[in-house]
Parts: sequence; structure tokens; C-alpha cells
Amino acid sequence: DGGITQSPKYLFRKEGQNVTLSCEQNLNHDAMYWYRQDPGQGLRLIYYSQIVNDFQKGDIAEGYSVSREKKESFPLTVTSAQKNPTAFYLCASFRNPDRDEAFFGQGTRLTVV
Amino acid sequence: LAKTTQPISMDSYEGQEVNITCSHNNIATNDYITWYQQFPSQGPRFIIQGYKTKVTNEVASLFIPADRKSSTLSLPRVSLSDTAVYYCLVGARGSARQLTFGSGTQLTVLP
Repeated sequence: DGGITQSPKYLFRKEGQNVTLSCEQNLNHDAMYWYRQDPGQGLRLIYYSQIVNDFQKGDIAEGYSVSREKKESFPLTVTSAQKNPTAFYLCASFRNPDRDEAFFGQGTRLTVV
Repeated sequence: LAKTTQPISMDSYEGQEVNITCSHNNIATNDYITWYQQFPSQGPRFIIQGYKTKVTNEVASLFIPADRKSSTLSLPRVSLSDTAVYYCLVGARGSARQLTFGSGTQLTVLP
């Protein structure tokens, strides 16, 4: 089955630590995205990548970093510079020549303890 | 990027038809309109996409007037399981681009 997989589902981090969230897709999609969602809020774009070895900042990139070394993978690092990292993080991939459709992972819920 | 405006929330009863309107006054000529549905603690999923007039699939219809400055997602005979947040997105089709989600519309279906 083709799809997009995020891991882990739940993640706990101590203040001051960096943590990396995994996102893998086997849909052969060019574009991948990271979003943050806070309770009762919409999705806010952190970073997106249209092609391997290239990525662009979204609306709230400060305190986050990404890499796109492989088409299938787009990991997100939440650094200690992110002042309020507790949130629900969603990864998506996109590109369907017949129909624009973003496919989302199941999300990672990050909690800072 | 075309900005979209939706109602924050809507309530409906089971079995009714629900219409959610999205305003996108500065939509560009090559922009399409896409709607997504999100359940709590899940990623959004695609519902429907259109460019003009009317599009219908197995779960919804999308109505787009001639000026394309707004669109209406229509959900026929909603059930409790349709309670979710619905997002309207506007952007050019067929190219990787920034996908911007607004705050969406929280639809609550009551028994």
C-alpha cells in the first residue's frame, strides 16, 4: 500500500533538547510539507520541499529545521530555539497529475516536559 | 496566494444538507478550489476539487459561480460522522506549491 508514515505517534521532550520527527512516503511524490497544529487551530505551514535537496520556509519556520536528502524522506527537527514546541505535527506529500491532492500522515503529538 | 475566508463554525442536524461557503475574492485565473476534511487527531483528507460551475463526487458537491470569487461545499444528508473541520484551499493546479490551510469551519452535526 502506498502512503505517508509519520513516527513516532507520541513524543516527549525535555526542555532544551532537540528532537527529530520522521516522515516517509512511498507515493513517489515530489513535494512534501510540515505543518503544526495547536488545539482548536488550523494548520500552519513550517517548511515545504518541492524537490530533493531544496526546501523553503513556511509561515512559522523559526526554531525548526528540515532536510530533503531523499525523495521519500523529509524529517523535521524541533530545536531548543523553538519556544513553544508542544503541538500536533503533520507531514504531507503532494503531487497527483490527475488531481491535486495532499496526502497526510497520522501526525506526531509532541509534548515538552 | 489567494486568501480564503470561511465561517468559524456551523451546526446542523442529522439528515440535513449542509452548505459551507468559502470566499476567495482574489482568486487567480489558473487557481483551483480544493476542500479537505479533518477529524480530531488525524491529518486532513481530500474531499473535492473544482475550477468552475459544479463538481460532484460520491461524498460532496462543489458549486462555483461564474465570477469564482466564492465556492460552496455541499454535504447531502449529513450524519454524526461528518462532524469535522472543513478547509477551503485555493491555488494553481498541477504544480508543487505552498499549500496554505486557513482556520477552517468546524461543522458539528447534532442528533
